Amino acid sequence: QKEVEQNSGPLSVPEGAIASLNCTYSDRGSQSFFWYRQYSGKSPELIMSIYSNGDKEDGRFTAQLNKASQYVSLLIRDSQPSDSATYLCAVLPNAGGTSYGKLTFGQGTILTVHP
Amino acid sequence: DAGITQSPRHKVTETGTPVTLRCHQTENHRYMYWYRQDPGHGLRLIHYSYGVKDTDKGEVSDGYSVSRSKTEDFLLTLESATSSQTSVYFCAISPDGFLYGYTFGSGTRLTVV
Repeated sequence: QKEVEQNSGPLSVPEGAIASLNCTYSDRGSQSFFWYRQYSGKSPELIMSIYSNGDKEDGRFTAQLNKASQYVSLLIRDSQPSDSATYLCAVLPNAGGTSYGKLTFGQGTILTVHP
Repeated sequence: DAGITQSPRHKVTETGTPVTLRCHQTENHRYMYWYRQDPGHGLRLIHYSYGVKDTDKGEVSDGYSVSRSKTEDFLLTLESATSSQTSVYFCAISPDGFLYGYTFGSGTRLTVV
């Protein structure tokens, strides 16, 4: 079983719609969760972080965390063509206090927003 | 990102030659990481550093070594390059390894022929 799993997509949504990206993880003690956006040929950039159960909103982005079910999701409201990218879920596993910030990444979900 | 630079951006090398990739940061962050990104595998950790001269292996460290003699520089060496090491290599930095996630460099596209 992969430690962090994402549906590779592609996920295609029309402009203005809500895009919903999902991620599940295997380590129940995981501490921190991140969403990165990666445009083709570019490096990943951090767009959201979440540490506690519930929702966290930042502009058009909402991250949702459910530790009991071991999933984290990213909602993008009012999707724009410029949101077309690969979205990477990253998880900081529980390593007994010595994780050194070693993130485990999912393979990413390709999102396409069409006009 | 201006706070982290990788060099070179592109490199083509021959099988069996040593190759060194450089990551330089101006953020004075404690933690530095080397990842490789391959289709079907995503980002995989090669080596990481939690301070000057403090380094350790990640999940795909075979054939790679690292050094960190200064806070700002983290070098990745492919001791004898193989075609399986053809990849895009990303360096990342983090101030605390817990809350802030990573800032990535622009990446190095390495081709081993």
